[in-house]
Formats: sequence, C-alpha cells, structure tokens
Amino acid sequence: QKEVEQNSGPLSVPEGAIASLNCTYSDRGSQSFFWYRQYSGKSPELIMFIYSNGDKEDGRFTAQLNKASQYVSLLIRDSQPSDSATYLCAVKVAGTYKYIFGTGTRLKVLA
Amino acid sequence: GAVVSQHPSWVICKSGTSVKIECRSLDFQATTMFWYRQFPKQSLMLMATSNEGSKATYEQGVEKDKFLINHASLTLSTLTVTSAHPEDSSFYICSAGHTRARTDTQYFGPGTRLTVL
Repeated sequence: QKEVEQNSGPLSVPEGAIASLNCTYSDRGSQSFFWYRQYSGKSPELIMFIYSNGDKEDGRFTAQLNKASQYVSLLIRDSQPSDSATYLCAVKVAGTYKYIFGTGTRLKVLA
Repeated sequence: GAVVSQHPSWVICKSGTSVKIECRSLDFQATTMFWYRQFPKQSLMLMATSNEGSKATYEQGVEKDKFLINHASLTLSTLTVTSAHPEDSSFYICSAGHTRARTDTQYFGPGTRLTVL
C-alpha cells in the first residue's frame, strides 16, 4: 500500500515567521511531488511541484526534496494570515498519472 | 492557463435520484481527468481515472455501476451518481491532467458539493 504521511496539525506560526510543512512517502519509485493549498470548502490549488533532489524556490515558497530519505517539505517565508489553510502533499504513482494525497497539514498564521 | 471548471457547484437531491456533474478543461486539452471525493476533514480520495475515448479505471471499492464516468472529448468528463443515497453526500472534485505539457501536473476544478436528502 503506497502511503503519503503528513502531520495533521494544526501548525500555528506568528505572522512573518517561516512555516515548515513536512511529508514522507513510501514509494521509492515516485519521481514527482506536488504541494497544494486548500482553503476550507474549496478545492485544492497548486502551489508548486518538484522533481529533483534539493530546493526549488518560487516567491515565498520553497519546496525541498530528499529522495534518499523519501521526504519532501514546503517552507513558507514571511507567513501571512492569508496563508492559513490546509496544505496537501501529493505524490505521483510511478508509471501512472495518479496521485496519492496525504491527509494534509492545517496551518494557522496568527496575526 | 490550465483552468478547470465544474458544474454544478452544489446540488441537493432526493434519495434515489441521479445527479450528473460536468468537468471541463477550459484552455487546454486533457487526455486524462480524475474524479475525487472528499468527506469533511478528510483528504482527497481518488475514485477513478478517466481517459478520453475509453472506459474509466475505477479505484478499489468504488462501484462503477453507481458512479458512471464518461469522457467523450478532450475537454469534458462527466460523473453521474446513480440512485444517490445520503451516504453519497460529499464534495466531488475533478482534476485534469495537462499531460501534453512537459509536466504531469493535475489542475483541480472548484468542486461540487452534493447533498442527498
């Protein structure tokens, strides 16, 4: 059974701080990893994807991938109250277009 | 770019009726679309993968005769919940795979909230 695990939270950080969200996955063959943000009652929206080991930066967001440790993370710099949402980690199943989603981490940014 | 629409955004129906939900990719062609279901405070669960021009592939435990999926064109997939019951009440979300682009990213529609009375 392929799995993607996330801490459900809530993770509370003060406004302006760095929020660090973590995700581990079980399928060593996975090559594509995605972070989505989901506001309550809404559908997920893509934040970023990462395929290669190391860091990938996009504005205030940085994704980090370590395939050897089967670990992917998302850093949010200068966190804003509007970043308060559930963050979903998704891993593409090797050889398919299917994703497996983690249960999500709820982030609260305190003003 | 990569906009996906869903219709309707919400629907309330009586038990035993059928409900059709449409998913459209507005500015790209999607050879593959996905249907998910999300119950409150839970993550997304993949129900089926829909490929244009062929039969959908259902995940284990999903009744194909109850959740009918049609992917008639590169921009439209439909999910019909047949003989809906209260336990089918959920948030149904489609996504479209931008599979002709370099990435294999899925873009999500806004979702359809189904309430079965």
